[in-house]
Amino acid sequence: AQSVTQLGSHVSVSEGALVLLRCNYSSSVPPYLFWYVQYPNQGLQLLLKYTSAATLVKGINGFEAEFKKSETSFHLTKPSAHMSDAAEYFCAVTGGNFNKFYFGSGTKLNVKP
Amino acid sequence: DTAVSQTPKYLVTQMGNDKSIKCEQNLGHDTMYWYKQDSKKFLKIMFSYNNKELIINETVPNRFSPKSPDKAHLNLHINSLELGDSAVYFCASSQDGTRWETQYFGPGTRLLVL
Repeated sequence: AQSVTQLGSHVSVSEGALVLLRCNYSSSVPPYLFWYVQYPNQGLQLLLKYTSAATLVKGINGFEAEFKKSETSFHLTKPSAHMSDAAEYFCAVTGGNFNKFYFGSGTKLNVKP
Repeated sequence: DTAVSQTPKYLVTQMGNDKSIKCEQNLGHDTMYWYKQDSKKFLKIMFSYNNKELIINETVPNRFSPKSPDKAHLNLHINSLELGDSAVYFCASSQDGTRWETQYFGPGTRLLVL
């Protein structure tokens, strides 16, 4: 079975500080992992995804994530937060025979000036 | 042009009514999905169609019935609406439904049942 746990429903950082959003997964098959961002009153937009190539994945807007099989983690980072990064972030894993996403409960990122 | 579009964007209705939400994608994808996002922002898949064929059918009340008239459209009809149906419903699409594909999401339909 597949599942995702996002630690911390709310994360607050100062502008310019490191962003670290945590995601741990459980999967009975080799996982494919995704990070999506949701801005207020909008749909979800892909930030990056891991598809078993490089373990360090770079995405849009300066975000990156590292797949660590030994820790079953796929944490999202950004070296320097910007006010425009304030949003809800979702980690997801796919499993089974189809492109069925299992989403985490989301982490709301607040960026303080 | 919007890749995945949904109508309406907002839907306020009374309990017991029947309503439909429409979704269209212009990406040429074969697979489309419906998700429900509850008040705590938790996202859960409801249905998925590949080439107009139902491939994912989660445990959803049978008051919810998806319909795919063609590959580019996946509509969601809800009968006898209940208070608990209030949520944001997202449509998404992907190329052919394989596990590593990106899903592209619509802007959501905010349903409020009174």
